[in-house]
Amino acid sequence: SQQGEEDPQALSIQEGENATMNCSYKTSINNLQWYRQNSGRGLVHLILIRSNEREKHSGRLRVTLDTSKKSSSLLITASRAADTASYFCATAPQVAGKLIFGQGTTLQVKP
Amino acid sequence: EAGVAQSPRYKIIEKRQSVAFWCNPISGHATLYWYQQILGQGPKLLIQFQNNGVVDDSQLPKDRFSAERLKGVDSTLKIQPAKLEDSAVYLCASSPPHGLGNTGELFFGEGSRLTVL
Repeated sequence: SQQGEEDPQALSIQEGENATMNCSYKTSINNLQWYRQNSGRGLVHLILIRSNEREKHSGRLRVTLDTSKKSSSLLITASRAADTASYFCATAPQVAGKLIFGQGTTLQVKP
Repeated sequence: EAGVAQSPRYKIIEKRQSVAFWCNPISGHATLYWYQQILGQGPKLLIQFQNNGVVDDSQLPKDRFSAERLKGVDSTLKIQPAKLEDSAVYLCASSPPHGLGNTGELFFGEGSRLTVL
């Protein structure tokens, strides 16, 4: 079953602009993670935010988590052409030790 | 540190034939996952191993899919007989112990792309 839903499904921006992707989920979680997938490749872990955290930064990435709304957002600042990829949120439900992925947001950054 | 290794990268078969995928996780990673990713969708968990044992196989179509993890290291995923809807990328991932039943970062292989004709 897919728990996370990303919004938008697709996003196209110019290099240098910021990109924001949103994720909503249904059940209580231990943590929420974001992954990137380049075309034809495996997924790469970007950042993990625990249920008791509200915001986390890693380089040009900023992730927020609102457990009351069961939602998260990923902000990529000053985007580059190399950021072109699909981005997935994944939730680790409290009742099960596994990771459930959403459908993803496809980001295109135009040079 | 060597990453998660998968083979083959690509496989084309006729429907009703069988296929097997192999995964070698990162050394020391006790947990191993097989995900199915259909084009345009997010990965769907098929099976999760903790060492030799199966933790979750609730979404594995057991009439045609099987998986094993020998000696808690390598794993194989088999499909027999294959259907057209099995065309997908099969991703293997592994993770180190995270404690308290939590799930931490997963390390993915490059995937095995299956086309069923």
